Amino acid sequence: DTGVSQDPRHKITKRGQNVTFRCDPISEHNRLYWYRQTLGQGPEFLTYFQNEAQLEKSRLLSDRFSAERPKGSFSTLEIQHTEQGDSAMYLCASSSRTGEQYFGPGTRLTVT
Amino acid sequence: ILNVEQSPQSLHVQEGDSTNFTCSFPSSNFYALHWYRWETAKSPEALFVMTLNGDEKKKGRISATLNTKEGYSYLYIKGSQPEDSATYLCAFGSDYGGSQGNLIFGKGTKLSVKP
Repeated sequence: DTGVSQDPRHKITKRGQNVTFRCDPISEHNRLYWYRQTLGQGPEFLTYFQNEAQLEKSRLLSDRFSAERPKGSFSTLEIQHTEQGDSAMYLCASSSRTGEQYFGPGTRLTVT
Repeated sequence: ILNVEQSPQSLHVQEGDSTNFTCSFPSSNFYALHWYRWETAKSPEALFVMTLNGDEKKKGRISATLNTKEGYSYLYIKGSQPEDSATYLCAFGSDYGGSQGNLIFGKGTKLSVKP
């Protein structure tokens, strides 16, 4: 296993469009996390899964955001009706229970 | 609101200089303190996870210390090299409410090492 992968690496979309990002965690990790980083800030927590259960969601995750991890393996993060304020780097991380979080390279979203 | 502060925001040093950064975090509900190194266009790389007060960890020229009672951690780089240029992030893991999931990150310290 080569680590956490994310797809796409870059996405440019027009305001109002829907976008979906994918994260493939390290295969033996049961925890998966989504973070968002905007310019000049550190990564901010969005949500996390243990296996297929979504255990925690941040207030940052508005109704336009939805995340799934249907079989406890890969995860998707969808943003509906994108706004310019959604432009950010979206990072995914995975860990074993209570272990170190390993990050993917991120998906950079630009909303025009 | 849990807040993690890092200083300085940025640092420019010459090759061979030793340097250190500070991370301040809440001293209550402490679970773990993480240090990451993030180079442009790459994944954040985990450097250290520290859980015990007084912990000291070392990886090559980089070391870190932890004081959970006063809520700070230091990261030291001895003899900086140009390849050390990156943003160094610290992240606080809390066990508040039984949650050991999300990490609260500082804004990072951007290090530039000039040859």
